[in-house]
Amino acid sequence: NAGVTQTPKFQVLKTGQSMTLQCAQDMNHEYMSWYRQDPGMGLRLIHYSVGAGITDQGEVPNGYNVSRSTTEDFPLRLLSAAPSQTSVYFCASQAGGYRTDTQYFGPGTRLTVL
Amino acid sequence: AQSVTQLGSHVSVSEGALVLLRCNYSSSVPPYLFWYVQYPNQGLQLLLKYTTGATLVKGINGFEAEFKKSETSFHLTKPSAHMSDAAEYFCAVRMDTGRRALTFGSGTRLQVQP
Repeated sequence: NAGVTQTPKFQVLKTGQSMTLQCAQDMNHEYMSWYRQDPGMGLRLIHYSVGAGITDQGEVPNGYNVSRSTTEDFPLRLLSAAPSQTSVYFCASQAGGYRTDTQYFGPGTRLTVL
Repeated sequence: AQSVTQLGSHVSVSEGALVLLRCNYSSSVPPYLFWYVQYPNQGLQLLLKYTTGATLVKGINGFEAEFKKSETSFHLTKPSAHMSDAAEYFCAVRMDTGRRALTFGSGTRLQVQP
């Protein structure tokens, strides 16, 4: 198993550009989520999905869109990048059933918006 | 709402000394508690977790943590620090509800001096 994979590892954008951060998992996990990590703030939840076709907002959803067409993939879209979106982005997945408890994290994407 | 407070953004210990990283949480329902470790330029790795049962939980790399409900704490300890323990450590909480999102603390960077 590759676990949770994310691409790209690094990305530099100009203000106003759009891009998609990719996330895939091969563990057949129902639950997937996106976090951003900023210095001194830990990780904050952006969006999450409890299964294909079902997504919901987290703590800091503004400026980001998601969709979940398959169990394996959960891309994060930045429609018009802003410098405030400079951050490290982590995708995570977890098996179905809310009593399962371990989230598995990808290696992260470091995004810089100029 | 749930929240997590990690006391001390930076902790420095000597190799062989006790490691104590503090975590306090607030949750309106019984919590699931986690400690994750992040090595430089890597994703998050689960160290240990408390869900139910024994309040003293052991994790990987010789770490352990004790859930103290009366103190709303889940401090992480290791009897003897090793140079390889230098990393950032995050405490996280999830309420025992259908929602699986984690709330993270702001992190503690552990430095180990030779």
